[in-house]
Parts: sequence; structure tokens; C-alpha cells
Amino acid sequence: DAGVIQSPRHEVTEMGQEVTLRCKPISGHNSLFWYRQTMMRGLELLIYFNNNVPIDDSGMPEDRFSAKMPNASFSTLKIQPSEPRDSAVYFCASSLGLTKETQYFGPGTRLLVL
Amino acid sequence: GESVGLHLPTLSVQEGDNSIINCAYSNSASDYFIWYKQESGKGPQFIIDIRSNMDKRQGQRVTVLLNKTVKHLSLQIAATQPGDSAVYFCAENEHNYGQNFVFGPGTRLSVLP
Repeated sequence: DAGVIQSPRHEVTEMGQEVTLRCKPISGHNSLFWYRQTMMRGLELLIYFNNNVPIDDSGMPEDRFSAKMPNASFSTLKIQPSEPRDSAVYFCASSLGLTKETQYFGPGTRLLVL
Repeated sequence: GESVGLHLPTLSVQEGDNSIINCAYSNSASDYFIWYKQESGKGPQFIIDIRSNMDKRQGQRVTVLLNKTVKHLSLQIAATQPGDSAVYFCAENEHNYGQNFVFGPGTRLSVLP
């Protein structure tokens, strides 16, 4: 079975550039989550969707970050403009439902902003 | 320059011994907990979960204990193997708070040959 798929796996960009991270959740899952992991702050929830609708975006750090889920099988997390402090590993996860379901994580995108 | 970041607690155990990884949570309203394992370069992987109406739950080689009185969670791994080397996170979810899990800082488990 295919798990959560993320692309790219690694991204190196320069400050000021736009970065788009992509995620394909597990088929049949209707909740999707974006996390950021850094040494300083650990694993943080940025935003999550249920049935393609954003439910909680309180973790999104600032307006430079935006996320979309145009359909049940695809989501993007965009950073524009990117800054060095955005360097982190970004994980996408999906789950079956909205209440207390196990989340299945993708392999992550390692982002380095120079 | 050197970056200052989270200093992960590290637990070193001999192969074949039992491991106990601890987690303190702060929200007394949390009623669902998950342990995740994260290997280097990979995403967190579900190990076991427990709801607040239980004190103990067992899986294959793993046991989770929940002490709500002191807000403490532990993960016990029996007969620790080299493949168990990873960072282990506990995650808590508050009652009626949807899927918003809060993750702990993690503990690095190192299995010695």
C-alpha cells in the first residue's frame, strides 16, 4: 500500500524565493495535516484539513505560509517569500477521520533556505 | 555557528534489555495519547495508543502505561533490538479538540550491541 507521498524530498532555495511543498494523502483518508519539525521547536502542527476544508490553521506561523487542498488526493504548502528561519523538515500526515484517529506520516521534505 | 536547540534526552540500553521511555504531559484535559517512533530521515511512525479510560495497553513487545494522577505516560519496549534505535515521541490530544495533537520533545533511544 502506498503511504503518504511528499515531494520534493529535499529542497534548497535562496531567501526570497517561493517554495511549494506537495502531499498526496493515503487514499480514503479524509483528514490531512501539515507539520514542521525543527531542533528548536520540535514537531509543530501548522494546519489541518478535513474533507478538503481547513479546520485549524492556528499553527501557521505567518502570512508567508499558505496551504491548499484542492481535492481529496492533493495538498500544497507554500512559503512566499521564504526566509532562512523556515529551514526545517516539513511533514504531511493523513488520517481516516477527524476525531482521535491515528495519523500516518509521509517521509518529509527537508527544506533549506540560504 | 553552532545552533542552540532542543537537547533530546537519550536512553542507552543493552540489546536484549527492556527499555522504558517516559513522557510528562501538561494538559489534564488530554484524553488520548499516541507513541510515535521516528527513525533517522523518516517520518514519525505510529507505535501504540491509549485512551484515558485505560491505565495500560499492550502491543507486540510494547506496553504503554498511563498515570492520569501525575500526568505521566510511559512506553516499555521488551527485549530491545537494534532496530528499536530511534527517537520516540508521545503525543496528546485534548478531549473534544479534534485532531490537534501536541507532541513532546522526544527521547532518543540508543541500543548498544
